[in-house]
Amino acid sequence: EDKVVQSPLSLVVHEGDTVTLNCSYEVTNFRSLLWYKQEKKAPTFLFMLTSSGIEKKSGRLSSILDKKELFSILNITATQTGDSAVYLCAVYGGATNKLIFGTGTLLAVQP
Amino acid sequence: DAGVTQSPTHLIKTRGQHVTLRCSPISGHKSVSWYQQVLGQGPQFIFQYYEKEERGRGNFPDRFSARQFPNYSSELNVNALLLGDSALYLCASSLERGTDTQYFGPGTRLTVL
Repeated sequence: EDKVVQSPLSLVVHEGDTVTLNCSYEVTNFRSLLWYKQEKKAPTFLFMLTSSGIEKKSGRLSSILDKKELFSILNITATQTGDSAVYLCAVYGGATNKLIFGTGTLLAVQP
Repeated sequence: DAGVTQSPTHLIKTRGQHVTLRCSPISGHKSVSWYQQVLGQGPQFIFQYYEKEERGRGNFPDRFSARQFPNYSSELNVNALLLGDSALYLCASSLERGTDTQYFGPGTRLTVL
């Protein structure tokens, strides 16, 4: 069965800390891995990764994919309270070409 | 440009009733997907529609159905509601069927009493 596993489930840090969120997957017909940030309702798109070893960066956020070891990490440097959210990892693939989500990592950044 | 829009924002129903949720994709996007997200879990895929045809279906009972209109908007219908159908229902749109990046709407919070 296709699955995406995220760790940790939750994390509490202080402003200025650096965090690393993990996502491992076992998905047939892998096409891409996506990261989303979900604050209240709508998940907002962060990154899409298709190739191993190529870092994608946007401001303080960066992500990289390892297709050999079947995992990805999302790094956030110099965290701010506005980074508090659930971070979702999803893999596009499977038998019916769909987005398969992990359960998410709840990040809380304290002042 | 407007993002994905969904209506209604919140909905309260009782067991056995049916519900219709609506979604308008980003202008120019032809594919719409529906997801169910229960508290503490990631979204679960329900349907994907492209060019008014169902292109994918998740592991949901036949009580769930959907359709896509010529303007690419979509409706999700759920019949014979159960308490376990209480969830956030998310709609996502993408340019084409095979485009991986999906953009999500704000969702409809359905509560079944």
